[in-house]
Amino acid sequence: DVKVTQSSRYLVKRTGEKVFLECVQDMDHENMFWYRQDPGLGLRLIYFSYDVKMKEKGDIPEGYSVSREKKERFSLILESASTNQTSMYLCASTLMGGRDTQYFGPGTRLTVL
Amino acid sequence: QKEVEQNSGPLSVPEGAIASLNCTYSDRVSQSFFWYRQYSGKSPELIMSIYSNGDKEDGRFTAQLNKASQYVSLLIRDSQPSDSATYLCAVTIYGQNFVFGPGTRLSVLP
Repeated sequence: DVKVTQSSRYLVKRTGEKVFLECVQDMDHENMFWYRQDPGLGLRLIYFSYDVKMKEKGDIPEGYSVSREKKERFSLILESASTNQTSMYLCASTLMGGRDTQYFGPGTRLTVL
Repeated sequence: QKEVEQNSGPLSVPEGAIASLNCTYSDRVSQSFFWYRQYSGKSPELIMSIYSNGDKEDGRFTAQLNKASQYVSLLIRDSQPSDSATYLCAVTIYGQNFVFGPGTRLSVLP
């Protein structure tokens, strides 16, 4: 069965803290994605990766970085958290592009105080 | 800029009725189309995918694709209160990333 897990369901951090969000998939998928979802704005792509050690910017990469050292793990890093990064963060993976379904993790609701 | 548009709703239907959710997309070369359901506070889960013009049925759900009109829809027959959720339309071109619509909130009234 398809499984994408995220390290935390809820996270509360303070402004200026460095924040790590971890995502792990057990499906041997090539592609992994980080989105944030905000009311009225829908799903917005932050970063994605098509292979180990490869990363590409999405639509809103500012204030974020990513790391993919192993195929199954894709980390999102907030170098210095700000209140406008309070959001729901969703990780997803696909086997390849195009016709392949994106499978989502349970999400991390991050609050930055 | 590729765009996917959906009516944000809320769309309210009585229990047992047919719910019709619509999605239009701007990129004519889009190839793959997906409908996801998202309950409040949860992550999206796939309901159906469709790649060819016409209808595709899966239980109470039917996806309809019309590439000439750049239109994809989802019909939910015999709607149940448990179908109350936000429905996301997603579109992709082979080798490129998904583009998600903003979602339509469906409310099925008992």
